[in-house]
Amino acid sequence: GAVVSQHPSRVICKSGTSVKIECRSLDFQATTMFWYRQFPKQSLMLMATSNEGSKATYEQGVEKDKFLINHASLTLSTLTVTSAHPEDSSFYICSVTASSYNEQFFGPGTRLTVL
Amino acid sequence: ELKVEQNPLFLSMQEGKNYTIYCNYSTTSDRLYWYRQDPGKSLESLFVLLSNGAVKQEGRLMASLDTKARLSTLHITAAVHDLSATYFCAVGGDYKLSFGAGTTVTVRA
Repeated sequence: GAVVSQHPSRVICKSGTSVKIECRSLDFQATTMFWYRQFPKQSLMLMATSNEGSKATYEQGVEKDKFLINHASLTLSTLTVTSAHPEDSSFYICSVTASSYNEQFFGPGTRLTVL
Repeated sequence: ELKVEQNPLFLSMQEGKNYTIYCNYSTTSDRLYWYRQDPGKSLESLFVLLSNGAVKQEGRLMASLDTKARLSTLHITAAVHDLSATYFCAVGGDYKLSFGAGTTVTVRA
């Protein structure tokens, strides 16, 4: 399977600041990347789907202006949480795939804590 | 909207005994996935099931898929402590995955 990295693995920020999370596909070209969030003891919820070079498609209830997604290349997608608030504290996980694959490959996750 | 139901949500296993986790889903799909998640970690892929009747086994875990019944099972044989984790099933459609709520497994001596 593909190797996916996320950076940072853990971030603590003050309320009102913006935080950028990177997701990199290290060993194959990912035409599609996904961003999930997971609250403690809950399941993963899809936030958005992004295709390289296109605007992301957000799931219902996810604010586009708050969670900015950029899929600039076949190996990099970024999620920026703008004006973060304590309720944005969560575990954010990206995944990658390509049309030749039947599965998604998950990154190690980023734990965001907003004080 | 695709809905995925897992049960049980919590499973306390005794070492050495066998158990099954069930995953039901609401609409037609021929792609079903099982993942394991340890506390504080991301998902680890266990099985990818892509056709009706698919059965895969790895160690003490075996997964099967019945697309007609919209049911997948994850069977655990002779549970051991290091199987303690949360197990998720996910059903695929148009590249997107819909996850079940997860089954938290604790294996006791």
